[in-house]
Amino acid sequence: EDKVVQSPLSLVVHEGDTVTLNCSYEVTNFRSLLWYKQEKKAPTFLFMLTSSGIEKKSGRLSSILDKKELFSILNITATQTGDSAVYLCAVYISSGSARQLTFGSGTQLTVLP
Amino acid sequence: EPEVTQTPSHQVTQMGQEVILRCVPISNHLYFYWYRQILGQKVEFLVSFYNNEISEKSEIFDDQFSVERPDGSNFTLKIRSTKLEDSAMYFCASSDQYNQPQHFGDGTRLSIL
Repeated sequence: EDKVVQSPLSLVVHEGDTVTLNCSYEVTNFRSLLWYKQEKKAPTFLFMLTSSGIEKKSGRLSSILDKKELFSILNITATQTGDSAVYLCAVYISSGSARQLTFGSGTQLTVLP
Repeated sequence: EPEVTQTPSHQVTQMGQEVILRCVPISNHLYFYWYRQILGQKVEFLVSFYNNEISEKSEIFDDQFSVERPDGSNFTLKIRSTKLEDSAMYFCASSDQYNQPQHFGDGTRLSIL
């Protein structure tokens, strides 16, 4: 059975802290790993990682994939209260020409002022 | 920025009734998806749709579910005879290629009484 596991499940930090969110996976037919941020409603896309060792960055957020050890991390530096959200890790698996996302349970990040 | 729109935002229905959830994917996208998220649980894949047919479906997507693209802009999920356990948030997503990030709508919260 395909499995995506995120840790920690929840995290409370203060503004300015740096956080690291973890995602490990055991899936067949891995294609890529995606990170989403979910506030009240729609998961919003952050990063898609396909190759090992190549860091993706967007402002204070960065992410990297290790396909040998089957995990990814999402780093957020100088956290702000607006970073408070559930961060979802999802893995693209393929079956023929179709793709579907398998999600982890998410990490609930709370940033206190 | 283009977005996926879903209507209604909240649907309350009696058990056994039929419901149709509607989605307008991003206009140049070709791949469409439905996911659901039961309260407190992971986001789960239901079905993917491309070229006017289902590409892939999960075990959850049984005979009571169907999808349709009735015109050039809408994508619908029908649940024929709702059960209490169908209560969940239903997300529509779309992508321009099968290996590109999926973009999600705000969801429809379905409550079955």
